[in-house]
Amino acid sequence: AQSVSQHNHHVILSEAASLELGCNYSYGGTVNLFWYVQYPGQHLQLLLKYFSGDPLVKGIKGFEAEFIKSKFSFNLRKPSVQWSDTAEYFCAVNANTGNQFYFGTGTSLTVIP
Amino acid sequence: ETGVTQTPRHLVMGMTNKKSLKCEQHLGHNAMYWYKQSAKKPLELMFVYSLEERVENNSVPSRFSPECPNSSHLFLHLHTLQPEDSALYLCASSQEATGPNYGYTFGSGTRLTVV
Repeated sequence: AQSVSQHNHHVILSEAASLELGCNYSYGGTVNLFWYVQYPGQHLQLLLKYFSGDPLVKGIKGFEAEFIKSKFSFNLRKPSVQWSDTAEYFCAVNANTGNQFYFGTGTSLTVIP
Repeated sequence: ETGVTQTPRHLVMGMTNKKSLKCEQHLGHNAMYWYKQSAKKPLELMFVYSLEERVENNSVPSRFSPECPNSSHLFLHLHTLQPEDSALYLCASSQEATGPNYGYTFGSGTRLTVV
């Protein structure tokens, strides 16, 4: 069965600090990878996604993620965080042939002004 | 609004009550999902409806009963719940013709508290 691991449960950063959130998955086949964000009191939103091609994916709000197939990883990065980035971040994996997503437990990011 | 609307936003119910959660999408999607989000646990897929037929039921207790009368509406009927069922219940939709590869669209969720 597929699984997704997010090792950082809670991250606290000061504004302008760089961010990297880890995501590892277990699945031997072709996968599609996603990062979702949930701002306080709001719904889950798609931040970025990877299907194929360039393993470095650019998303909204200055976020990017790099797919490293050999490491089964899809880490989320942002060079300089803002207070408005405070949110819960979820990594998700979907097998290329299926319609079921597997989500990680989420990482809570708090950015201090 | 995302195009996926869930009602009610908050629900408090006793263990002997019967209630229903409603989800409605206006995106023309043909697949809809119920997820359960508990604190510090992964999002749990409960039910998947594709073209109005249930295709996934991940061993969810029978006290949760889904209904999908058409491609735009999804219900989750609740009865004799337990306190551990308190969680955020999220509805999502996707367009199967283009595949779930394009990601889900989620509703805002129903915060359920069982007392």
